[in-house]
Amino acid sequence: EIVLTQSPGIVYVSPGERATLSCKSSQSVSSSLAWYQQRPGQPPSLLIYGASTRVTGIPDRFSGSGSGTDFTLTISSLQSEDFAVYYCQQYDNWPPALTFGGGTKVEIK
Amino acid sequence: QVHLVQSGPEVRKPGSSVKVSCKAPGGSFSSYAINWVRQAPGQGLEWMGGIVPIFGPANYAQKFQGRVTITADESTNTAYMELSSLRFEDTAIYYCARDGIVDTAMVFGYWGQGTLVTVSS
Repeated sequence: EIVLTQSPGIVYVSPGERATLSCKSSQSVSSSLAWYQQRPGQPPSLLIYGASTRVTGIPDRFSGSGSGTDFTLTISSLQSEDFAVYYCQQYDNWPPALTFGGGTKVEIK
Repeated sequence: QVHLVQSGPEVRKPGSSVKVSCKAPGGSFSSYAINWVRQAPGQGLEWMGGIVPIFGPANYAQKFQGRVTITADESTNTAYMELSSLRFEDTAIYYCARDGIVDTAMVFGYWGQGTLVTVSS
């Protein structure tokens, strides 16, 4: 089973500053990695897939990078609506299985 | 916009079963993957399993093998997730999620509103 480890668990950032979130895989998933944002009380929302491709309509302050086992989500200038929890998900191992990381919460500093 | 509509909240006793439904809009229902993801209170996302109706049987996370059954009814465009032998720790919001928002399988751009399942004696 592929394990995704996200760090840090919580990151404190001031509005307008940059946030850098990490997702490490226990084995290579090539570029088969997606990032989701989840706001309180809402289902997750897809931001990025293929490690670095933004979904249509996602602001360009969100960027993804990496391949293999190490991935990064960068939010270049945090807006108030960006304070949320972010999850990575691998889909390289499908079938039979998908995996989510444990999440990183971005909180206001 | 694709709206996945899930069934309402459920309360079950330990040892019982629960079946949650997820209705998708018509059109190519069978070609897309419907997966189930749960979220315990204050916790992260946990993949349970998924099905692509056109390909047949579902795939399940090892953790839930033998306890979860995911099916799809193509005549009603509805997917189901049944979880048996419920335990207190199965209390969670259960989401269905579908791919197809981008041209990459198993990337979920469409989510149901979530169904709260509470296991309580």
